[in-house]
Amino acid sequence: DTGVSQDPRHKITKRGQNVTFRCDPISEHNRLYWYRQTLGQGPEFLTYFQNEAQLEKSRLLSDRFSAERPKGSFSTLEIQRTEQGDSAMYLCASSLESYNQPQHFGDGTRLSIL
Amino acid sequence: AQSVSQHNHHVILSEAASLELGCNYSYGGTVNLFWYVQYPGQHLQLLLKYFSGDPLVKGIKGFEAEFIKSKFSFNLRKPSVQWSDTAEYFCAVKGNTDKLIFGTGTRLQVFP
Repeated sequence: DTGVSQDPRHKITKRGQNVTFRCDPISEHNRLYWYRQTLGQGPEFLTYFQNEAQLEKSRLLSDRFSAERPKGSFSTLEIQRTEQGDSAMYLCASSLESYNQPQHFGDGTRLSIL
Repeated sequence: AQSVSQHNHHVILSEAASLELGCNYSYGGTVNLFWYVQYPGQHLQLLLKYFSGDPLVKGIKGFEAEFIKSKFSFNLRKPSVQWSDTAEYFCAVKGNTDKLIFGTGTRLQVFP
């Protein structure tokens, strides 16, 4: 079981820089999700894809955030002009399309903004 | 809007004690309910899920949860905890879209 893979595990950057994270889902999973988790909170939904189509995007997601899944396999999440408040753990999950299939999570990418 | 409340933020138990973690959700329609666990340094893992049928759901590692629709609750239980159950536990709900709404989590510490 290869699981959901995320890269990098940690990212430290200066405020105002752009960052990009990558997520590789479990190979047969056609749904892919991004969540954000801050200290003391549960994961918060950001967006999700079915194959290459982005089906839902949280209203909390500012225009500085963009996600893609161009070939329906891996996905990238880019944050432009990072701010202090972007510091968080960014989690990726994947699932099969069927309604009763659970989401499987990766280890996450921890972003720290200096 | 959907929301999830976990009443216990931090629970400390001795080994062999019984565990019950509270979870209440707010949503008027049909829901799917989940408990995830995050062991120190590891990713979120599914403990158990409820979609339909028997409201008493059994999961991995001896955990179970009961869906009480009238109380909008999905409490997690284990009759006898072990030191290895030390982790953070998250309740989550899925309504009419595919996104999960999580509670704030409960940190469980079990002492030998």
